[in-house]
Amino acid sequence: AQTVTQSQPEMSVQEAETVTLSCTYDTSESDYYLFWYKQPPSRQMILVIRQEAYKQQNATENRFSVNFQKAAKSFSLKISDSQLGDAAMYFCAYTSRTASKLTFGTGTRLQVTL
Amino acid sequence: KAGVTQTPRYLIKTRGQQVTLSCSPISGHRSVSWYQQTPGQGLQFLFEYFSETQRNKGNFPGRFSGRQFSNSRSEMNVSTLELGDSALYLCASSLAQRTGDTQYFGPGTRLTVL
Repeated sequence: AQTVTQSQPEMSVQEAETVTLSCTYDTSESDYYLFWYKQPPSRQMILVIRQEAYKQQNATENRFSVNFQKAAKSFSLKISDSQLGDAAMYFCAYTSRTASKLTFGTGTRLQVTL
Repeated sequence: KAGVTQTPRYLIKTRGQQVTLSCSPISGHRSVSWYQQTPGQGLQFLFEYFSETQRNKGNFPGRFSGRQFSNSRSEMNVSTLELGDSALYLCASSLAQRTGDTQYFGPGTRLTVL
């Protein structure tokens, strides 16, 4: 079974600084997709970034970028120029080519301080 | 384009009752997935519907059921409620023309079982 592990329950970053959230996963499949979702206090789950495993290039969305290491099964999220609005729970998620369900990690709570 | 909507947003029920939650996907999306979020178990996949057919199912008891209508709207039903069913129930929709399509989430329904 596929598993997703987020080893950092909480992280803190100062405004305008950079922070990296870690995620590792376990799968025997070769074709899959990885996601980072953000869940602010409103509880609405918001897509941050998506990575297709067959693409070597790391995905980027404005201040958000990933470091995808397929061999190491690692998928970290880097947030540059952190803003107060980035404070939220961040979930790493996996889905395979053969099943449409998302498997989530346990989440990392990000605090942004002044 | 309007996002995923879920109704009701909050529900309070007592043990033994049943409940129906509703989800309207983004226009044009044909897949609807349901997830349960609790502090103890995290985010867990319940089931996915595509073109009115259940395509995938998680490890939940038969008390949890769902259906999808021809307009892609979906309902989830929980019968004989237990205290442990208290959770945030999230619905997500995707185009699902192929697996791996991004899932977009609704705001959730907070169910409290007393």
